[in-house]
Amino acid sequence: EDKVVQSPLSLVVHEGDTVTLNCSYEVTNFRSLLWYKQEKKAPTFLFMLTSSGIEKKSGRLSSILDKKELFSILNITATQTGDSAVYLCAVPNNAGNMLTFGGGTRLMVKP
Amino acid sequence: DAGVTQSPTHLIKTRGQQVTLRCSPISGHKSVSWYQQVLGQGPQFIFQYYEKEERGRGNFPDRFSARQFPNYSSELNVNALLLGDSALYLCASSLVSRPNTGELFFGEGSRLTVL
Repeated sequence: EDKVVQSPLSLVVHEGDTVTLNCSYEVTNFRSLLWYKQEKKAPTFLFMLTSSGIEKKSGRLSSILDKKELFSILNITATQTGDSAVYLCAVPNNAGNMLTFGGGTRLMVKP
Repeated sequence: DAGVTQSPTHLIKTRGQQVTLRCSPISGHKSVSWYQQVLGQGPQFIFQYYEKEERGRGNFPDRFSARQFPNYSSELNVNALLLGDSALYLCASSLVSRPNTGELFFGEGSRLTVL
């Protein structure tokens, strides 16, 4: 059974701080690892990391994948209050038709 | 363009009742997946439908069922509701049958409270 574990469970920082969110995984046949941001209800896609794309960056957000150690990190620099959300990490199953999500990290950025 | 739409947004039921949740995918998307998200946890896969056929089923009891219609919209039914069924039910659509490449688009969800 595929497994995804995220840490920390929650995090409170002040604007301008840098945060690192962790995601470890166990999967039968690794295809990719996905990061989502969930502000209120609908998760929105951030990054996909694969064997051929182990680093991604978009503005203040960046992510890396360590396939050997089976983990990924999501970095957010110069945090803003708008970054407050739950960040979810997920891996697809071998058939590729479902995602196994971690429990999420709840980030709160204070002004 | 309209995104994934779900209805109702909120509903309250009592134990033992039945509920039907509805989802309209993004136009042109043929795959619909359902996820349950209990408060404080990540979403958990329930079903995937593609071209009106069930393509995947998660570890949920038979009280949970779903179907997909010719227009690709979908319904999730839950019978004999239990308190533990209280959750946010998310619908996600994608163009392809194997949305393992970040191509899942989620709706705002239906918040079900069972009393």
